[in-house]
Amino acid sequence: GDSVTQMEGPVTLSEEAFLTINCTYTATGYPSLFWYVQYPGEGLQLLLKATKADDKGSNKGFEATYRKETTSFHLEKGSVQVSDSAVYFCALGNTDKLIFGTGTRLQVFP
Amino acid sequence: NAGVTQTPKFRILKIGQSMTLQCAQDMNHNYMYWYRQDPGMGLKLIYYSVGAGITDKGEVPNGYNVSRSTTEDFPLRLELAAPSQTSVYFCASSVNRGLYNEQFFGPGTRLTVL
Repeated sequence: GDSVTQMEGPVTLSEEAFLTINCTYTATGYPSLFWYVQYPGEGLQLLLKATKADDKGSNKGFEATYRKETTSFHLEKGSVQVSDSAVYFCALGNTDKLIFGTGTRLQVFP
Repeated sequence: NAGVTQTPKFRILKIGQSMTLQCAQDMNHNYMYWYRQDPGMGLKLIYYSVGAGITDKGEVPNGYNVSRSTTEDFPLRLELAAPSQTSVYFCASSVNRGLYNEQFFGPGTRLTVL
């Protein structure tokens, strides 16, 4: 069945460092791909999405490119801030449901 | 718009008790979902609904029941609570199929079963 694999955390960075969180997927058909973010004590909220191969999603300085040849959707940000500290979930949308990865906790220190 | 609201925020249950987790959305979304999030794990789909009167099982439905009598409300019922149901529960909604559309999440209900 469909699945999503994310790199394990926590990822610990200093402010202004470069961020990469890896995400790979297995799916039949042509899924959409998403990154959701969960700030402490809150529900998940959509960070960015891509609906077809080679699409790039971007928001708040974060980017991810839908790579069909490597079945990947890695999240990147050039310069992280303390306020980016959160848990990041990669998700795959196929048929009626989303399938989530296990989440990666990011901790950014000043 | 309030978005997706959930009540209660926190609850402690004793083994064997029952309770209903409430979820409501004011965005006129067709699709609604219930997930559970266990520590260090991703979200697991419990039940979902594609419209009023229509519900279907997700990945982990055992021990839960749902109903969808209106577009706005999608309560989750726990019968005979067990420690394995200790988790954070999230309700979500979307305009249409999850394939293309953003799911909007509520703030969650933290449930402990002792």
